[in-house]
Amino acid sequence: QQQVKQSPQSLIVQKGGISIINCAYENTAFDYFPWYQQFPGKGPALLIAIRPDVSEKKEGRFTISFNKSAKQFSLHIMDSQPGDSATYFCAASKGYGQNFVFGPGTRLSVLP
Amino acid sequence: DTEVTQTPKHLVMGMTNKKSLKCEQHMGHRAMYWYKQKAKKPPELMFVYSYEKLSINESVPSRFSPECPNSSLLNLHLHALQPEDSALYLCASSQRGLSGNTIYFGEGSWLTVV
Repeated sequence: QQQVKQSPQSLIVQKGGISIINCAYENTAFDYFPWYQQFPGKGPALLIAIRPDVSEKKEGRFTISFNKSAKQFSLHIMDSQPGDSATYFCAASKGYGQNFVFGPGTRLSVLP
Repeated sequence: DTEVTQTPKHLVMGMTNKKSLKCEQHMGHRAMYWYKQKAKKPPELMFVYSYEKLSINESVPSRFSPECPNSSLLNLHLHALQPEDSALYLCASSQRGLSGNTIYFGEGSWLTVV
């Protein structure tokens, strides 16, 4: 119940394409869903986050889509760039809880 | 650049050594965290300090000992580690935003146990 599933494990996209990463959760108590981006040799950095009272949130080229009934959420990266090549982790937490559950990660490679 | 500073960036230690990892943040955050990350895996929570008190201990072996001297500093004392403890150790701090806790990670300390 504490798991967050994430797919695909790895993703290769051409420059300018759309990258889509999907996550699913079981615990309906989760109500905060951030996405983290991690470059090699660096710590994860918050990219964008959503709460289940909205179905979509957009920040620049990054969009989170949220389906509460299906307990799924996804990250869309529009006009993907080689600089977006990184590992992406979805996560979930309850309220202002400090115990985040991370998905296993997706390694994105954007080809020039 | 991250505002959570970790030292050292790299550490190699023998199984009988005692060493410490240090973390500092000046963002006024009152929660600080230690995570462990193995290659190609997500971060795993080890400890959380909230207002300088240990609030979460994820059943971490006693060879890892956290310390929070003040609201800006967090240490992780290491003793008698095993080779399987080799990993990236991430410090983080968090603040309450409009939607939830936003965690800010440091760049990590790469630990190799030989």
